[in-house]
Amino acid sequence: GESVGLHLPTLSVQEGDNSIINCAYSNSASDYFIWYKQESGKGPQFIIDIRSNMDKRQGQRVTVLLNKTVKHLSLQIAATQPGDSAVYFCAETRTGANSKLTFGKGITLSVRP
Amino acid sequence: GAGVSQSPSNKVTEKGKDVELRCDPISGHTALYWYRQSLGQGLEFLIYFQGNSAPDKSGLPSDRFSAERTGGSVSTLTIQRTQQEDSAVYLCASSLEVAVGLAGELFFGEGSRLTVL
Repeated sequence: GESVGLHLPTLSVQEGDNSIINCAYSNSASDYFIWYKQESGKGPQFIIDIRSNMDKRQGQRVTVLLNKTVKHLSLQIAATQPGDSAVYFCAETRTGANSKLTFGKGITLSVRP
Repeated sequence: GAGVSQSPSNKVTEKGKDVELRCDPISGHTALYWYRQSLGQGLEFLIYFQGNSAPDKSGLPSDRFSAERTGGSVSTLTIQRTQQEDSAVYLCASSLEVAVGLAGELFFGEGSRLTVL
């Protein structure tokens, strides 16, 4: 079946460094992707999204890159801060009626002071 | 409140008992989703209410699980004869439009943590 997965379960980075979180998806029909951040004890929160007609989108300190050729998605966080410590999920869907998000397993980002 | 509200936040029950989990979506949101998150795992889709259309129940793991959404607003997820493997955080989310891609994002509640002893 189709699935969305992440390459690494955990990522530890030094405060101030840039973080890159990677995600692979297998549904070639997916055309909309979202990154979510989940802090301990809370529900996931939207970070940034990207549609398949784009290969890069920037937000505040975050950039999402989409490579449709290899079905790869990444989230880049610039100047990582302690508040960035959380679990990050990529999610994918095919837009249209009856669409629903399929989530990957999540990766824990730990920021070292 | 302004966000998605879920209750109870924590529920401990004995194996074999029934439980009900409640979700109050953001006012005006037409779509409502239930996901399950087991310890250290990703989000597993359970059920999706899409406006006035029939719900997508394709993710419900067994017939012990059911959900309803009354009046297009509040939803209740019911788990009958709970088993230990049902222990997880149950997350509810809502979105403004039926199609996720049009809405842009799902807004999640903080979840209901279910522990089955």
